[in-house]
Amino acid sequence: EVQLVESGGGLVKPGGSLRLSCAASGFSFSTYSMNWVRQAPGKGLEWVSSISSGSGYVYYADSVKGRFTISRDNAKNSLYLQMSSLRAEDTAVYYCARERITRADIDYWGQGTLVTVSS
Amino acid sequence: SYVLAQPPSVSVAPGQTARITCGGKNIGRKSVHWYQQKPGQAPVLVVYDDSDRPSGIPERFSGSNSGNTASLTISRVEAGDEADYYCHVWDSTSDHYVFGSGTKVTVL
Repeated sequence: EVQLVESGGGLVKPGGSLRLSCAASGFSFSTYSMNWVRQAPGKGLEWVSSISSGSGYVYYADSVKGRFTISRDNAKNSLYLQMSSLRAEDTAVYYCARERITRADIDYWGQGTLVTVSS
Repeated sequence: SYVLAQPPSVSVAPGQTARITCGGKNIGRKSVHWYQQKPGQAPVLVVYDDSDRPSGIPERFSGSNSGNTASLTISRVEAGDEADYYCHVWDSTSDHYVFGSGTKVTVL
């Protein structure tokens, strides 16, 4: 069974940093591109970042480029999102998500971790 | 940047058909995917590559895509179909994923 379990969310002050993690199991993690997608309270889905299976390609939404860094450790079956210079508008549930095929649909999602940016 | 437009809401009686549109410039040239999200839950893929269904998704869910509009159709709507629905594409021009704004389906 495919499982994606996010952790690392919490309350952080504006300008602060936070690192999210996603533990993957039940599939060959190293062969799939992975994503972070977020959802602000009461709002729609917003794609944040993607990383290819071997980390050779990374992509970022304009809203986070230069502040967030996506990475992965295939030996640990883990995906990460390092977030810095956080703003109130970064407050959201952050989902870890697997691409079925690179640059195609997302077939599995974690349950999400809440990040709240507030003073 | 590429924009996907969805109607904010669609209302439908049980047993009837709901159609949710997703508008985008030349979206017919892209592969469109659709997700269902119920309150407090993660999204679930219901249609991928315009019209394919993942295993476990009822045949009542179907998709189409042509020109500047993609559509998700839910036939014989049930109370359990009440949810938010999002369309989704990869934009190769910007190397970005794009989600539609979402449509809330209400079953009357």
